[in-house]
Order: sequence, then C-alpha cells, then structure tokens
Amino acid sequence: TQLLEQSPQFLSIQEGENLTVYCNSSSVFSSLQWYRQEPGEGPVLLVTVVTGGEVKKLKRLTFQFGDARKDSSLHITAAQPGDTGLYLCAGPSNFGNEKLTFGTGTRLTIIP
Amino acid sequence: NAGVTQTPKFRVLKTGQSMTLLCAQDMNHEYMYWYRQDPGMGLRLIHYSVGEGTTAKGEVPDGYNVSRLKKQNFLLGLESAAPSQTSVYFCACTVQYGTGRFEQYFGPGTRLTVT
Repeated sequence: TQLLEQSPQFLSIQEGENLTVYCNSSSVFSSLQWYRQEPGEGPVLLVTVVTGGEVKKLKRLTFQFGDARKDSSLHITAAQPGDTGLYLCAGPSNFGNEKLTFGTGTRLTIIP
Repeated sequence: NAGVTQTPKFRVLKTGQSMTLLCAQDMNHEYMYWYRQDPGMGLRLIHYSVGEGTTAKGEVPDGYNVSRLKKQNFLLGLESAAPSQTSVYFCACTVQYGTGRFEQYFGPGTRLTVT
C-alpha cells in the first residue's frame, strides 16, 4: 500500500512569513498533485508535478518534486490570510492511474 | 457549467436508516469517485467508476453501494447507516490527459451525521 505522509500536520504562522510543508513516501510516484481545501468546500487542484526534480511556481507558491519521485514540498513566500486552508498531496495508486492516494494533509492558518 | 454537484449538503440519520447521496457532473468525464473525509485521516476512496455501467471498490467500501446508470450521475447508497459512517462525503470526477497527467474535480461535499 502506498502511503503519503504530510508534515507538519498543523502550522500557524504570521502573515508575511515564509513556510514549507512536506509530502513524503517510501514509494515512487509517477506524479504528485497538491490540492487546497477551504472549510466547507471540496479540494481544488493547485498543481501536478511529473518529472523528478521538477519545480513549478504558482504566484507565491513553489512546488518541488523530489529527484527520486518519492517526495514533494510546497513553499509559500510571504504568506497571506487567503492561503489558510488544508493542503493535501496526492499521487496515482500503483494499481492504476485512475485512483489517487491522498496524504492526511497540513492544516495551515495564517494569522493577520 | 456547474461542474460537480452533490445532493444533499447536510443530512442526519438514525442508526439503521438508509439514504442515497447523489453526485452529478456536467463535464462529460468518464471517471467518477466517492470519498469520505474524516479528521486526521485524509480522503479515503469508497467506490469509483471508470465509465457508465461500471463500478469498483476502493479502500473502504464496506457498508456502501454505488450505481452509475448514467454517465453524468454517480449514486452512493447506505443501506443501514452506522455511527461509524458519520463523515463528510465528497464526489469527484477525473479527466486524463496522458500517463500521470490528469485533473480531479471535487464536489462541495455532503456532511452526514448518524446518531
């Protein structure tokens, strides 16, 4: 069974600070995705990383896929209250690309 | 274009009662999914469907049944609800662009409480 472990589980920081959250596995994934979920809503896809070592930027968010494709990180620069939410990583199950395995998430709170 | 919609948004059941959750998508996607989300456990796959008329078990299928009679609809049924099924249920559909490249779209969720 492929597992994705996310750390930290909870993170609360002041507006304007930088932060990094992590998604780790002992398994190799063909790709990894990051989602953000706001209270009372479903997750929304932020990015997909496919190539080992790949770095993608989405405004103040920087996503990196590990060289061995077993881990990924999300770095937020100058965090804003609008970044508050649950961040989930996910990767295709080794039983087929049609299923995703989700991490348990990092709950991020940005304090104004 | 509503994307993925779920009905109802909230429901309270008594132990032993049955109910059906409805998911509808207007994106013409083949793959549809039902997940449950519990605190500290992330999203866990209940059942999924790779096309009209087909269904398959996910990670936590016990106590649930599904049907995909029409491509745009995916129904999740609880025949005899138990308190352990108290959760937030999410429906999703996926479009695949190639190996490792796909996008999954989620509905707004159904909050179910079983007393």
